[in-house]
Amino acid sequence: KAGVTQTPRYLIKTRGQQVTLSCSPISGHRSVSWYQQTPGQGLQFLFEYFSETQRNKGNFPGRFSGRQFSNSRSEMNVSTLELGDSALYLCASSSGQGDGAFFGQGTRLTVV
Amino acid sequence: KQEVTQIPAALSVPEGENLVLNCSFTDSAIYNLQWFRQDPGKGLTSLLLIQSSQREQTSGRLNASLDKSSGRSTLYIAASQPGDSATYLCAPKPKSTFGDGTTLTVKP
Repeated sequence: KAGVTQTPRYLIKTRGQQVTLSCSPISGHRSVSWYQQTPGQGLQFLFEYFSETQRNKGNFPGRFSGRQFSNSRSEMNVSTLELGDSALYLCASSSGQGDGAFFGQGTRLTVV
Repeated sequence: KQEVTQIPAALSVPEGENLVLNCSFTDSAIYNLQWFRQDPGKGLTSLLLIQSSQREQTSGRLNASLDKSSGRSTLYIAASQPGDSATYLCAPKPKSTFGDGTTLTVKP
């Protein structure tokens, strides 16, 4: 069974640009969560999607948005990039609230 | 708001030692608690999942316990090896909150 796949693995963007990250969950998983990880803030929850609906949302500005498609694949978009958005973005999938989460390898975003 | 604390923040032990990592959380209304390990620059690898109705789970040299009422979980690693060196994170669900983790170094 394939794991969680995140693309791209590495990305360099310029301040002010926007970026879209992709996450393909494990087959059959309907929940996808996104996290931002930085050395100073640790792992912070961005949002969770379940069956194309946002179920939970963390405390991030509106520049961070996401969506989930009918095949459970999810995308995360960050608009008007700032230097502080440089981070490892992790995606996790699970089959439901009571089940374990499985993480992808992450997308390393660098904003210059 | 769920808050998660992991103690100690860092731990260095010689190979072969048994060790305990601690995780505490403020909201006991959880579905389950999951322990992960993370190697530098990589994603998280799931180690153990304990449902809220369970007291412990075991996988090989790892044993995790859960005391939901007191908001605590421990991860016990037996006979530690250099390959166990990583950051260990706990995450109670829902609320999807992580602690800062415990960085473990096992010296040969």
